Amino acid sequence: AQTVTQSQPEMSVQEAETVTLSCTYDTSESDYYLFWYKQPPSRQMILVIRQEAYKQQNATENRFSVNFQKAAKSFSLKISDSQLGDAAMYFCAYARREKLTFGTGTRLTIIP
Amino acid sequence: EPEVTQTPSHQVTQMGQEVILRCVPISNHLYFYWYRQILGQKVEFLVSFYNNEISEKSEIFDDQFSVERPDGSNFTLKIRSTKLEDSAMYFCASSESFDNEQFFGPGTRLTVL
Repeated sequence: AQTVTQSQPEMSVQEAETVTLSCTYDTSESDYYLFWYKQPPSRQMILVIRQEAYKQQNATENRFSVNFQKAAKSFSLKISDSQLGDAAMYFCAYARREKLTFGTGTRLTIIP
Repeated sequence: EPEVTQTPSHQVTQMGQEVILRCVPISNHLYFYWYRQILGQKVEFLVSFYNNEISEKSEIFDDQFSVERPDGSNFTLKIRSTKLEDSAMYFCASSESFDNEQFFGPGTRLTVL
């Protein structure tokens, strides 16, 4: 079974600084997708960024980028120029066909 | 921008009662999902639904759960006899295909007393 591990239950960063959230996963598949979702206090799940496993190029989305290391099964999220609105729970997720498997999340606090 | 909607936003029920959670997926999406999140825990997959049938379900999705697409727009999750441990946030999601982004609704908070 696929598992997703987020080893940092909580992280904090100064506003305007850069922070990296870690995620590792376990799978025997070669074709899959990885995602980072953000869950603010409203508890809505919002997609931050997506990475296809067959793509070697790391995905970027404005201030958000990933470091995808397929051999190491690592998928970290870098947030540049952190803003107060980035404060949320961040979940890493693995998808093989329909099912999303989530990690336990990292609570990110932004320090003004 | 199209979005997934869910009703009600909060449902309170007595243990043993039946509840139906409703979702309206994005109109051109073909795949529908239910997830749940017990307070303070991770989001867990319950079931996926395609072409009017369940395509995958988790071990959580036992006989007390069922899903239905009663018409062209709604997608429902029924819990036949609720238990205290069913208290959670239930998220509906939809996607165009199985390998596309899943768009999540705002969730229904279910409280079982």
